[in-house]
Amino acid sequence: QSALTQPASVSGSPAQSITISCTGTSSDVGGYNLVSWYQQNPGKAPKLMIYEVSRRPSGVSNRFSGSKSGNTASLTISGLQAEDEADYYCCSYTGSSTYVFGPGTKVTVL
Amino acid sequence: EVQLVESGGGWVQPGGSLRLSCAASGFTFSSYDMTWVRQAPGKGLEWVSYISGSSSTIYYADSVKGRFTISRDNAKNSLYLQMNSLRAEDTAVYYCARVLGRLVADHFDYWGQGTLVTVSS
Repeated sequence: QSALTQPASVSGSPAQSITISCTGTSSDVGGYNLVSWYQQNPGKAPKLMIYEVSRRPSGVSNRFSGSKSGNTASLTISGLQAEDEADYYCCSYTGSSTYVFGPGTKVTVL
Repeated sequence: EVQLVESGGGWVQPGGSLRLSCAASGFTFSSYDMTWVRQAPGKGLEWVSYISGSSSTIYYADSVKGRFTISRDNAKNSLYLQMNSLRAEDTAVYYCARVLGRLVADHFDYWGQGTLVTVSS
C-alpha cells in the first residue's frame, strides 16, 4: 500500500486558480474512478471536498473541481480565497475496501 | 445531524494496549460502513482499517495487521479499535469516519474530531 504522490506545497494569489496533482499507479488512481479529496485546517478533522474524481458533496463550493487522466488525479481551486488556505489530501480506493492517501499539499494564499 | 465522537486515546507504553471508541449519532449506524484513519503528529493521513455495516467484511492496513482489531456494536451505535502491541510509530490522532459510495464504499463523508494516542516509554 504505497502512498500517492502530491506536491508538498502550492501557492496562488487571491482570485487565481491553482491545481494540485495526485499521482498513483494503475493499481489505485489509474485503476478506479474513485479518487476523493479532503481539506484539513490545522487542528481540525478532514473535510470531504470531492469524491469519485469529480463529484462535489452538497455544501462544497463549485470553485472546487476534480479530474483525472491516467494515473494522475487533480484538484483545481478556482477564484482562490483566503479561506482556502489549508492542507489538501487525495485518497484513492485500491480495491477490496482498502484505501491509500497522498502525503498532502499545503495551499498558501499569497 | 451526523456526529462521530471518538474517545479512549491516551498515553501507553510500547507493547501496551488501548481500545478506542467512536460513538455515532444522527444516522442509521448499521446501514453504513465505517473506517479508522490516523495522522501522526505533523504528518499526513493514513488509512488504518475498514468494517462493513454488518461486520461481515473487515480489512486492515499492512502496518497494523495482526495487532489492531476493528469491531462495531450496532445496538450501541459504536465503532471500536482494539490496539495491541503498540509501537512508537502508532502515535497519532485516530479519526473514525463514515464510508460512503454508490457502487463501492470509496470515500469518507463524515469524520470525528479525533483522539490522540501517544506510545512512549
